[in-house]
Amino acid sequence: GNSVTQMEGPVTLSEEAFLTINCTYTATGYPSLFWYVQYPGEGLQLLLKATKADDKGSNKGFEATYRKETTSFHLEKGSVQVSDSAVYFCALSKMYSGGGADGLTFGKGTHLIIQP
Amino acid sequence: DSGVTQTPKHLITATGQRVTLRCSPRSGDLSVYWYQQSLDQGLQFLIQYYNGEERAKGNILERFSAQQFPDLHSELNLSSLELGDSALYFCASSGVGYGTDTQYFGPGTRLTVL
Repeated sequence: GNSVTQMEGPVTLSEEAFLTINCTYTATGYPSLFWYVQYPGEGLQLLLKATKADDKGSNKGFEATYRKETTSFHLEKGSVQVSDSAVYFCALSKMYSGGGADGLTFGKGTHLIIQP
Repeated sequence: DSGVTQTPKHLITATGQRVTLRCSPRSGDLSVYWYQQSLDQGLQFLIQYYNGEERAKGNILERFSAQQFPDLHSELNLSSLELGDSALYFCASSGVGYGTDTQYFGPGTRLTVL
């Protein structure tokens, strides 16, 4: 079956540091890949996504590139802020041939703490 | 605000009881998904409905069931509750058609079973 593996943390960084959160996946075919973020006491928000190999998703300074050869989708940001403190989830889903997608398979989440 | 609403926000009940969680998808979205988030299991996909019909099942227990109504809102029914069912339950919705693979999540219902 499908699976997603990501570093669990917590990951603690100083403000303006470079961030990398590793994510690798196992799936047949060509899944869509996502990063979701969960702030304390809130639901999940889509951060970025990529739907095919070599696609780069980006949003709010975060980037991730869909690497089919290494089955990876690592999240990066050049300079983190205190407001980036949250839990980050890597996830995948498979598209149905007729449109729409099946349920998301999530990694266990990475708790990111940014210190001023 | 994702446009997905869930009620109630919090629910406290006792073992053996039955509860119903409600979800209203974003306007125009036909697909509804249910997820469970717990400390030991993480985020798990439970079940998906599309336009009133069950489309996919994940790790949903037999004590749990769901349905989607003609107005597209969905309900998740949890029965014979156990302590281990305490968790956050999220609903998500998405559109249909090519490229509509993004799921938008509601704020969740926190269930506590005592």
